[in-house]
Amino acid sequence: AQKVTQAQTEISVVEKEDVTLDCVYETRDTTYYLFWYKQPPSGELVFLIRRNSFDEQNEISGRYSWNFQKSTSSFNFTITASQVVDSAVYFCALSEARNTDKLIFGTGTRLQVFP
Amino acid sequence: EAQVTQNPRYLITVTGKKLTVTCSQNMNHEYMSWYRQDPGLGLRQIYYSMNVEVTDKGDVPEGYKVSRKEKRNFPLILESPSPNQTSLYFCASSSGQVPSYNEQFFGPGTRLTVL
Repeated sequence: AQKVTQAQTEISVVEKEDVTLDCVYETRDTTYYLFWYKQPPSGELVFLIRRNSFDEQNEISGRYSWNFQKSTSSFNFTITASQVVDSAVYFCALSEARNTDKLIFGTGTRLQVFP
Repeated sequence: EAQVTQNPRYLITVTGKKLTVTCSQNMNHEYMSWYRQDPGLGLRQIYYSMNVEVTDKGDVPEGYKVSRKEKRNFPLILESPSPNQTSLYFCASSSGQVPSYNEQFFGPGTRLTVL
């Protein structure tokens, strides 16, 4: 069965620290997509990244980077030099090829960055 | 501007009083769905619709109804709301073109409180 696990419920860091949010997924499909969304205190969902199962290259976007490892079924998200504005709930999600329109979300990790 | 709109954004109601949360998209998307977000549970799909007059249950459909009479609209109906339906609700849409990946567009969310 498909599942996304974000074992870290809440993480607190001080500004400028690096922080990694873990995401482990389960799926029987060989073709699937992985996502990260940010939910700031205002409540909307902000799309951060999408990765397909055939592309294991790591990605960097400014202070954000993502590490996709099929061998461990993980898609971890690292924020370098965190800032107070990074404080939010972060969701990892999975969609499978048989129904790419349905997102299966993890339970989210609340990140608090203190000044 | 491509967008998904939801109304109302905030709603406080009482047990048993029927309500409808509207969702509309202007992207001519075929696929629309409703999610609810609860603390510690992430987002879970309530209902989805592959096209006009085609709807199906998601993972947590109990207590909800939907309809899809027009392509752009996908209202969520709570015939007799109960306190356990207090939640943050998101509507989403995508183009539904299988087998390629379809980006999900999320509405801003509706925060519902049932007293």
